[in-house]
Amino acid sequence: EVQLLESGGGLAQPGGSLRLSCAASGFTFSTYAMSWVRQAPGKGPEWVSAISNSGSSTYYADSVKGRFTISRDNSKNTLYLQMNSLRADDTAAYYCAKKWELDYWGQGTLVTVSS
Amino acid sequence: QSALTQPASVSGSPGQSITISCTGTSSDVGAYNYVSWYQQHPGKAPKLMIYDVSNRPSGVSNRFSGSKSVNTASLTISGLQAEDEADYYCSSYTSSSTYVFGTGTKVTVL
Repeated sequence: EVQLLESGGGLAQPGGSLRLSCAASGFTFSTYAMSWVRQAPGKGPEWVSAISNSGSSTYYADSVKGRFTISRDNSKNTLYLQMNSLRADDTAAYYCAKKWELDYWGQGTLVTVSS
Repeated sequence: QSALTQPASVSGSPGQSITISCTGTSSDVGAYNYVSWYQQHPGKAPKLMIYDVSNRPSGVSNRFSGSKSVNTASLTISGLQAEDEADYYCSSYTSSSTYVFGTGTKVTVL
């Protein structure tokens, strides 16, 4: 059974940083691209970033480019999202998802950016 | 990248068919056959219902079908059931090597 478990969310101050993790199990992690998607309260999903299966290629939405960094450790079956220079509009539930098609999603971790 | 345009709401009676549209541009929906549809119930993570315009993942009911014409993709739900009441979002790959979601459609079963 595919399982994706996000962690690392919480309260951050504007301008601060957080690092999200996503522990994957139930599939061969190193075979698939992985993505991060966020959803602000009461809003629709927003694609944030994706990374190739090897980690050699990364992709970002304009809204986070230069502030967020996606990475993965295939030996630990874990996906990461380093979030710097956080802003109030980064407040959202952050989901990791498998493949470009987002065929499996985690339960999400809530990030709140507020002073 | 602007969000893809969906109707805010669509409703139908049990057993009926409904169609949700998703309009983009020649840089996203019209350029690639990488359109997906997601169903989201309140408080839950989205669930993939259709990928690559018209393909259903294993386990998704064949009452759900997808299509595309030029810059508009569509999701059809046939034999509408109470459990289909949810929010639906489309998404598409874009020429910028990113993905964009739709504005979302609330489906109500009357």
